[in-house]
Amino acid sequence: QVQLVQSGAEMKKPGASVKLSCKASGYTFSDFYIHCVRQAPGQGLEWMGWINPKSGGTKYAEKFQGRVTMTRDTSISTVYMELSSLRSDDTAMYFCARERVAAADDDAFDIWGQGTVVTVSS
Amino acid sequence: EIVMTQSPATLSVSPGERATLSCRASQSIGSNLAWYQQKPGQAPRLLIYGASTRATGIPATFSGSGSGTQFTLTISSLQSEDFAFYFCQQYDHWRTFGQGTKLEIK
Repeated sequence: QVQLVQSGAEMKKPGASVKLSCKASGYTFSDFYIHCVRQAPGQGLEWMGWINPKSGGTKYAEKFQGRVTMTRDTSISTVYMELSSLRSDDTAMYFCARERVAAADDDAFDIWGQGTVVTVSS
Repeated sequence: EIVMTQSPATLSVSPGERATLSCRASQSIGSNLAWYQQKPGQAPRLLIYGASTRATGIPATFSGSGSGTQFTLTISSLQSEDFAFYFCQQYDHWRTFGQGTKLEIK
């Protein structure tokens, strides 16, 4: 079945970087944009950016420009999201999510990964 | 940035009754709106896209309406599994989410 499986929980110190993975299966990886969304404890959802798996093109929310990098490895159908200069307020659950419509970057998210908890603490 | 405002923050409804959740956009987004359900410890689940189209597998008890800046999610005849958090999302310009509505049992 169509699914996104994310890497395990991470614990980092302030100032460090974290790199999370999101492995797709059950569909043609290059056909659908992948997004990153985070959710701080007890808070709402915050969109971080997307990657076009076919071209590698990316777009990031202004808030994360310069700190976030999304990449992909098409040979293993995996997207990576790296967040640098971590702060305590980056502590959150990080989700990857698939665009509902192929080759589009203007639709809803129909498939979500299970989430990765990132804890930033000294 | 388009700001999405959901109301109420918490809605208390009895099982079997109807729930009406609202979402307002700070500027017109046409019908580029989705609704998600999220339960504790789980990822969000897509319920509605295009403001009113149910996603695959979503029961007819869920319905969406609205366009422009005002949107509504209606859940008729609430079941126990419907008590959760609900988020709206605009995808007209980048992506932003509302802060959510907690639907709780009265």
